[in-house]
Amino acid sequence: GAVVSQHPSRVICKSGTSVKIECRSLDFQATTMFWYRQFPKQSLMLMATSNEGSKATYEQGVEKDKFLINHASLTLSTLTVTSAHPEDSSFYICSASPPIRTGNYGYTFGSGTRLTVV
Amino acid sequence: AQKVTQAQTEISVVEKEDVTLDCVYETRDTTYYLFWYKQPPSGELVFLIRRNSFDEQNEISGRYSWNFQKSTSSFNFTITASQVVDSAVYFCALSKNSGYALNFGKGTSLLVTP
Repeated sequence: GAVVSQHPSRVICKSGTSVKIECRSLDFQATTMFWYRQFPKQSLMLMATSNEGSKATYEQGVEKDKFLINHASLTLSTLTVTSAHPEDSSFYICSASPPIRTGNYGYTFGSGTRLTVV
Repeated sequence: AQKVTQAQTEISVVEKEDVTLDCVYETRDTTYYLFWYKQPPSGELVFLIRRNSFDEQNEISGRYSWNFQKSTSSFNFTITASQVVDSAVYFCALSKNSGYALNFGKGTSLLVTP
């Protein structure tokens, strides 16, 4: 249980275009989702917290007009990279706060999206 | 503010050796959660363990074990009899509470050679 599906897994786009990444919770409702970015050989850096039905909360230094986040339902959050540039090339990964249950459980992560802007 | 330090950037061991990955954390919260995740070359994050601040019991799961010590703010991870399939980047992470984002350490890259 607690599966998060992220699509696409890889995308190559031209500079100046926009790319949408989807993150779906398949078997639970996620009121809160998180978007991270990971550059090669580096750690995961939180970009924003996405809350269903309200505006996302962005971390300092993350341009909210460039990285548009929409969390329109309890099972879907999207990240749109607008007017992408080569420096936006990175690994983007979403996560959902898990439903409360017994046992040893953690935050569930999507499989990630490798974005390459050419 | 929360901070997670994984001082070991890269570790290389020979198969069957034991290896310990260190994690030191800082937080002002009295309630918090600690996690370990494995990230193989494919990129997905594999959950290994969650520990809350009230539970200092050590945990063993097969070849994996974790040592949580609040007195030293450490949550170390030991792999016994390492295998090539253990090669990956391992992240220690901290969260304030359920529903808050994870704060990751920089990760430790483990290479296990035959």
